Parts: sequence; C-alpha cells; structure tokens
Amino acid sequence: QQQVKQSPQSLIVQKGGISIINCAYENTAFDYFPWYQQFPGKGPALLIAIRPDVSEKKEGRFTISFNKSAKQFSLHIMDSQPGDSATYFCAAKDKGVSNYQLIWGAGTKLIIKP
Amino acid sequence: NAGVMQNPRHLVRRRGQEARLRCSPMKGHSHVYWYRQLPEEGLKFMVYLQKENIIDESGMPKERFSAEFPKEGPSILRIQQVVRGDSAAYFCASSQLPLTAYSNQPQHFGDGTRLSIL
Repeated sequence: QQQVKQSPQSLIVQKGGISIINCAYENTAFDYFPWYQQFPGKGPALLIAIRPDVSEKKEGRFTISFNKSAKQFSLHIMDSQPGDSATYFCAAKDKGVSNYQLIWGAGTKLIIKP
Repeated sequence: NAGVMQNPRHLVRRRGQEARLRCSPMKGHSHVYWYRQLPEEGLKFMVYLQKENIIDESGMPKERFSAEFPKEGPSILRIQQVVRGDSAAYFCASSQLPLTAYSNQPQHFGDGTRLSIL
C-alpha cells in the first residue's frame, strides 16, 4: 500500500532522444509526487514535483505526466544530454504527512550515449 | 556559500565498533533530517532534529542508533555495535523552516557518508 514502484531499473538513451521513467502507486491518499536526480557520490537533488490536481508540469526539458485514475506518474526528459546521466528517483507522500516522510522508488539509472 | 557538509565521506568499521557520522547543515538552517540508502534503493527517513530537540525519530531503529543536534556543532548520527546490515549510505538534509505537509521549500542534501562494515 505504501510502495512506489519505479521502472525501468536502468535505461540507455541516445543523445537528443526522450528518456521516460515510470512510477506507479497504490495509496490514493498520496498528495505530492517529486522527482529527484542523484549523481554518483552525491546527494539527491529535487528536480521537479507535482500535486494530483494537475495532469502535467513542465520545467525546461523535464516534464512530469500524472494519471490519477491509473495511479501512475512519469518523468520525461526531452532532448536528453550526456549531462543528464544520473540516477532518478520518484517519490510520493501521504496527505497530511510532512515532506520529509517521502516514500521513495528504487531508482532508475539513466545513461545518455553521446 | 557551503551546502550541507557531511563527514567522513567514507567510514569503515569492524563489527561491534561504533560509527559516528557528522552533518553540518547549511548556514541559517536549523532543521536536520537523516536518511539511509541501501544499494539500488531509495532513501528511507530515519530522524528529524531541530537544535537540541528530536522532533521525529519514527524511522530510526530503537536499538543501537541515536541522533543529536547540539546547540553548538554538527548533528551526529551514532551507531553502536555496528553489524553488516548497517552498511549503507547515510544522507543528511537540512531546511531553513520545518518541512510540513504543504511546504514548498526543498530540503538540501549533503553528499552522504558511505559506511562499510567489515
């Protein structure tokens, strides 16, 4: 019930292509869905986040698509660049719970080939 | 303008020893959060502290683990009598204001301490 399932585990995309990472959840009380980017040897950094009252949020080359009825959300990276190579984590939070109590997905290791 | 500083970056301990992990929050931040990350997994919340107070320790094991954030100095995560299963990356994050259910402010993460137990 409290899990966030992330796929794929790893992804290789050509430079300039679109990278798509998917997450699914069961708990309908989740009300906040952030994505984090983590480079090797570094801590995670917030990339983009969405709340369930919108179906899409775009920031530069990064877009979150949210499907409330399917309980799925995804990260799209347009025009993927080698510098985007990192591990990406989706996460979710229960309504009324503080933002430090996120439920994290297992991560997707993204490699962008030049 | 230093970010969240964690040290040591790598720590090796033998089973039964103690591990002390330190975290200095960003300047002006008085809220500190500790997380554990196992290989190929996401982060799991352990404990939330303000200066001299533990606010939420619901994610921290009751045995062998403790945390503090004194009035002066860094926050410390202490693991006594370490076991192989404690091997993980431990991340600290800080925020200027408390992270609430509707908070829009981010938490800033340090680069972690990789703890290896021999």
